[in-house]
Amino acid sequence: DAGVIQSPRHEVTEMGQEVTLRCKPISGHDYLFWYRQTMMRGLELLIYFNNNVPIDDSGMPEDRFSAKMPNASFSTLKIQPSEPRDSAVYFCASSFSSGYTFGSGTRLTVV
Amino acid sequence: EDQVTQSPEALRLQEGESSSLNCSYTVSGLRGLFWYRQDPGKGPEFLFTLYSAGEEKEKERLKATLTKKESFLHITAPKPEDSATYLCSVDAGGTSYGKLTFGQGTILTVHP
Repeated sequence: DAGVIQSPRHEVTEMGQEVTLRCKPISGHDYLFWYRQTMMRGLELLIYFNNNVPIDDSGMPEDRFSAKMPNASFSTLKIQPSEPRDSAVYFCASSFSSGYTFGSGTRLTVV
Repeated sequence: EDQVTQSPEALRLQEGESSSLNCSYTVSGLRGLFWYRQDPGKGPEFLFTLYSAGEEKEKERLKATLTKKESFLHITAPKPEDSATYLCSVDAGGTSYGKLTFGQGTILTVHP
């Protein structure tokens, strides 16, 4: 089992550019979560899916953020346009019944 | 609103010096409380799930306990490799089923 796979590991982009983060959950897991971690705010839930359907996107900070899960093995988090305050580590996690498995994260820096 | 508060924010121990980390929570209903360990540059790693008051779980030098208002992570005779950030989170169930609310974490440093 390769675990939850996120790409890229690091992303540096200029303000105003579009950024796409990718996640492959563990096979058989029916929940997928996107979190953002910063020193100031800790881990914040952005959005989560159950069986590929978005359940709660109340944590998405604004319309610049969007997430999709076209099938059970792939999800994307897109930021368009990106801003410096979006700089953070973005984690994807998946679960089945209880206990999440997190990916290694994508460290996003917007300059 | 579900809330999780961890204390202390940071804890420095000497190798072999046992101690406890605290996690206080406020939720409408608790489906489960989860402890995670996070090393620098990595994602959180699952440690324990606790479901009801009085429950205890152990793994090596770690023991997690749960009451109706808080959870403790006891560390017995810690080693330097136990140094990490320990995160507590709750799943309130109901309409929030599967959604975890995290505390800010406790940064543990164990000196040799």
